[in-house]
Amino acid sequence: DVKVTQSSRYLVKRTGEKVFLECVQDMDHENMFWYRQDPGLGLRLIYFSYDVKMKEKGDIPEGYSVSREKKERFSLILESASTNQTSMYLCASRDPGFSYEQYFGPGTRLTVT
Amino acid sequence: GQQLNQSPQSMFIQEGEDVSMNCTSSSIFNTWLWYKQDPGEGPVLLIALYKAGELTSNGRLTAQFGITRKDSFLNISASIPSDVGIYFCAGFNAGNNRKLIWGLGTSLAVNP
Repeated sequence: DVKVTQSSRYLVKRTGEKVFLECVQDMDHENMFWYRQDPGLGLRLIYFSYDVKMKEKGDIPEGYSVSREKKERFSLILESASTNQTSMYLCASRDPGFSYEQYFGPGTRLTVT
Repeated sequence: GQQLNQSPQSMFIQEGEDVSMNCTSSSIFNTWLWYKQDPGEGPVLLIALYKAGELTSNGRLTAQFGITRKDSFLNISASIPSDVGIYFCAGFNAGNNRKLIWGLGTSLAVNP
C-alpha cells in the first residue's frame, strides 16, 4: 500500500514565524503535490513537483515556497506565516507512468495566531 | 484556476436511501476521478473513469463518465452511516494530464 505521511497532524504557529510542513511518500512516486483545503473552497493546489528539484506553481502559490531535495520528500514552507494561512494542508503523490490516482496524506491542520 | 461544478453541495439522508451526485465542466475531460474524504483524513480514491460512456462500480458505488465528456455521476445505493464524508470529483482536461481539476465537494450526512 502507498503511504504518504505528514510530519504533524496539528500545528499552532505565531504570525511571522517560518513554518515547515514535511511530507514523505514511500512508493518512489515522481510527482508530489501540496494542497490547502478550506470550507467551501475545496482543494486548491499550492505547488507541485514532477521530479526531484523540479517544481511548478499551482493556483495559489503566494506566501509559500517548496523544496524537494530527495524523491520521497516534499516540503512546504511558509516564509512568514499569516493568519489567512490557517488551513488544512494536504500532501499527495502520484506515479505518472502508472495511473492518474493521487494518494493523499492525512493532512496537517495549521493554526496561525 | 478552473474548478468543476459539483452538486449538490450537501445532502442529509436516511440510512438505506440511494444517493446521486454529479459534476460538470465547461471543457472536455479525458479522465474523471471520484474521491471520498472521511472527517480528519485525506481523500481516498473510490473510482476512476477513462472512457466516455464508461460505467464502473465499486461495491455499492457506481460512477459514469458522461457521453459528452463534460460530466460525470456518482451513485451510492442503500446508504449506511459510514458513507458520511465529503465526496469530490476531479479530472484532467483533454491535453493536460499534469494538474487535476477539482470540484468543491458534496458533503453527505446519513441519519441512522
